[in-house]
Amino acid sequence: EPEVTQTPSHQVTQMGQEVILRCVPISNHLYFYWYRQILGQKVEFLVSFYNNEISEKSEIFDDQFSVERPDGSNFTLKIRSTKLEDSAMYFCASSGLRRGTGELFFGEGSRLTVL
Amino acid sequence: GESVGLHLPTLSVQEGDNSIINCAYSNSASDYFIWYKQESGKGPQFIIDIRSNMDKRQGQRVTVLLNKTVKHLSLQIAATQPGDSAVYFCAENRSPGAGSYQLTFGKGTKLSVIP
Repeated sequence: EPEVTQTPSHQVTQMGQEVILRCVPISNHLYFYWYRQILGQKVEFLVSFYNNEISEKSEIFDDQFSVERPDGSNFTLKIRSTKLEDSAMYFCASSGLRRGTGELFFGEGSRLTVL
Repeated sequence: GESVGLHLPTLSVQEGDNSIINCAYSNSASDYFIWYKQESGKGPQFIIDIRSNMDKRQGQRVTVLLNKTVKHLSLQIAATQPGDSAVYFCAENRSPGAGSYQLTFGKGTKLSVIP
């Protein structure tokens, strides 16, 4: 069964450092997403990406965040200068063989710990 | 502000009984709703979805009911099994676009199945 894969599963970093979280969405999906979940809280939307550009983003997704699809398979989330409050589980997701269809498939998540 | 939330944070049921998990939403413009299951340390897993032009949808052992009049969503699990133990989230789609899913998640209900 096709799945969304994420690396690393856990990353520990110092405050102010840059981190890159990587995702391989399901092939042939058209939409890609990042969500995050702070420990014990609900899952929050960060950004959606379609046709090589950001489709929508939340107010959480400020200038320290960026996304990129560097090749035909990877989808990355970069946090430029991490803050303590960026500690969370970051989930990548993908959807849609066709526009407007299908469910959102999530990866297993990358846990980011900022010290 | 507008939000999706859950009535009960925890629910314990006996194995074999039926479970009902409830969700209230406040954005009457939302047109698509999804239930996700999240096991410890894993990403949200799609269970079932429903569009606002329906009031009931059935899957395998699960049924989702949508009451637009009172803005209420419920997930019914028949013959609950120990493997159903997880946190269940409802989510609504608020994306203005026809394609991408900008989901707003509720806080979650933890379902514990007693053997």
